[in-house]
Amino acid sequence: GAVVSQHPSRVICKSGTSVKIECRSLDFQATTMFWYRQFPKQSLMLMATSNEGSKATYEQGVEKDKFLINHASLTLSTLTVTSAHPEDSSFYICSARLQGARNTEAFFGQGTRLTVV
Amino acid sequence: AQSVSQHNHHVILSEAASLELGCNYSYGGTVNLFWYVQYPGQHLQLLLKYFSGDPLVKGIKGFEAEFIKSKFSFNLRKPSVQWSDTAEYFCAVIIGGDTGRRALTFGSGTRLQVQP
Repeated sequence: GAVVSQHPSRVICKSGTSVKIECRSLDFQATTMFWYRQFPKQSLMLMATSNEGSKATYEQGVEKDKFLINHASLTLSTLTVTSAHPEDSSFYICSARLQGARNTEAFFGQGTRLTVV
Repeated sequence: AQSVSQHNHHVILSEAASLELGCNYSYGGTVNLFWYVQYPGQHLQLLLKYFSGDPLVKGIKGFEAEFIKSKFSFNLRKPSVQWSDTAEYFCAVIIGGDTGRRALTFGSGTRLQVQP
């Protein structure tokens, strides 16, 4: 099956710094990628939809200036958590679907555990 | 707002017991349905999916799910669980006609613990 690679898998940063998370589709092109956030023992909450070559679409309540998304190519989307604070500590997961294909599942990265100290 | 509900938050079973995990969604239109599994320390993997056709869907590792439109349900079943089935299970939905660009909406997840 298709592979989505996410990096880093774990990151610890100081409060006030920025952290970039990369999401790559390794063997397929993804016009659209999705960023989710998962709190402990809770579900995955969609943060934003990343569209190649255009602005991301953010879900209600997600600060676009804090969570910067760049989808510069058909195989790479990045999420930058700017001026991170301890409440941003969470598990971030990216997902991608096959370009132009309907009725297909989503493929997921292994997730990034962010800890802000 | 549309939602996906998984009523079983934590299920503990002995090996060889039968499993049924509930999933309900609140949307009256077209839906595409999925079950994903997340083993400890690993990424989400697809167990099975339903888009159309036979409402009884067979997946990997002996799992199956039945789409009952009148009940807005897509319950996951396995006749005999194994210790290796210990994991977190997520039901997910794409609401509305699929364009290939829609995100999945997830349920809260069910933690399954199988005791040897």
